[in-house]
Amino acid sequence: DTGVSQDPRHKITKRGQNVTFRCDPISEHNRLYWYRQTLGQGPEFLTYFQNEAQLEKSRLLSDRFSAERPKGSFSTLEIQRTEQGDSAMYLCASSVSRDSSGWETQYFGPGTRLLVL
Amino acid sequence: AQSVTQLGSHVSVSEGALVLLRCNYSSSVPPYLFWYVQYPNQGLQLLLKYTTGATLVKGINGFEAEFKKSETSFHLTKPSAHMSDAAEYFCAVRVYGGSQGNLIFGKGTKLSVKP
Repeated sequence: DTGVSQDPRHKITKRGQNVTFRCDPISEHNRLYWYRQTLGQGPEFLTYFQNEAQLEKSRLLSDRFSAERPKGSFSTLEIQRTEQGDSAMYLCASSVSRDSSGWETQYFGPGTRLLVL
Repeated sequence: AQSVTQLGSHVSVSEGALVLLRCNYSSSVPPYLFWYVQYPNQGLQLLLKYTTGATLVKGINGFEAEFKKSETSFHLTKPSAHMSDAAEYFCAVRVYGGSQGNLIFGKGTKLSVKP
């Protein structure tokens, strides 16, 4: 079990450019979540996959954002036409519906820090 | 709808002193509560969780939290602070309903430990 991994760890881009982040969940975790964390705030939910199906999207996820999870394994989060307000840490978490405790626990990756200039 | 309030954005304690980080929640259904810790430029690490059963929950690194339904609280404590405990701590509640399982987080409390 290597934990949740995210790539890249840091990304600097210019306003208007597109960026894509990748998340590799813990193997056999069927649920995958994306959160956004801005400075001084707790993480905020963006979207959620169960296997390859995207089941929930937050109102924070504008039409410039798109997420995929092909084949129910890794996931990508793309931001088109980036804006300075998109600067944040993007966190990925994975889980199984019921773990050994009988409940769901989300395990977080190290995050991708995005800076839009 | 669920929500979480963490009282105090910054808490400073001396090494060896008691750590108390406050969390109050709002939930119309039995809550499922978590504490996570975040070290600088890192993701979140699970400290402990409350689901059902025993209201005093023990976690990693000597932390524990007590679920008090009457006070709608889930405060995090550690008897003796260590320098390595300096980090940001987040309380979270799991969303119920439909296919949702996402967490709602408080704004976090940054813990400083003085030598």
